[in-house]
Amino acid sequence: KAGVTQTPRYLIKTRGQQVTLSCSPISGHRSVSWYQQTPGQGLQFLFEYFSETQRNKGNFPGRFSGRQFSNSRSEMNVSTLELGDSALYLCASRDSNYGYTFGSGTRLTVV
Amino acid sequence: AQSVTQLGSHVSVSEGALVLLRCNYSSSVPPYLFWYVQYPNQGLQLLLKYTSAATLVKGINGFEAEFKKSETSFHLTKPSAHMSDAAEYFCAVSGVGGSYIPTFGRGTSLIVHP
Repeated sequence: KAGVTQTPRYLIKTRGQQVTLSCSPISGHRSVSWYQQTPGQGLQFLFEYFSETQRNKGNFPGRFSGRQFSNSRSEMNVSTLELGDSALYLCASRDSNYGYTFGSGTRLTVV
Repeated sequence: AQSVTQLGSHVSVSEGALVLLRCNYSSSVPPYLFWYVQYPNQGLQLLLKYTSAATLVKGINGFEAEFKKSETSFHLTKPSAHMSDAAEYFCAVSGVGGSYIPTFGRGTSLIVHP
């Protein structure tokens, strides 16, 4: 059974640009969550999607957005990038028993 | 709001020694509790989870954790550390206040000396 796939693994962007990250959950999982991980703030919840609907949202500015497609794949977008957005972005898919499986993450560096 | 406290940002042990990583949660009701491990440049891998069944939970790689409601704790242990156990460990809680979104602790870096 394939795990959670995140693409790309590494990304370098310039301040002011926008970026889109992709996540494919485990087959059959309909819930996808996104987290931002930084050394200073640890793991912070961004948002969760279930059946193409955002069900929960963390405390991040509107520059951070996401969506989920009918095949459960999810994308997150960050507009007007700031240096502080440099982080490891992790995606997780949830099974029916509240088990979260994480992908390997996308390392975003903003220069 | 639910929260998790991991005592000690770094824990250092010798190979073969007992591993003990501490986690305390704040909740008035028994939540779901998890331990995850993260190796460098990798995502989080689930070690074990407590979902109100047995209080002693066995996970992968020889790890186990005991849920103690009276102490609001969920400490992670392993009898004998291996060099390959060196990684970052995260405790997480969910299921409090109707929210099943996990809240993570700040993590504990386990260092294993030969």
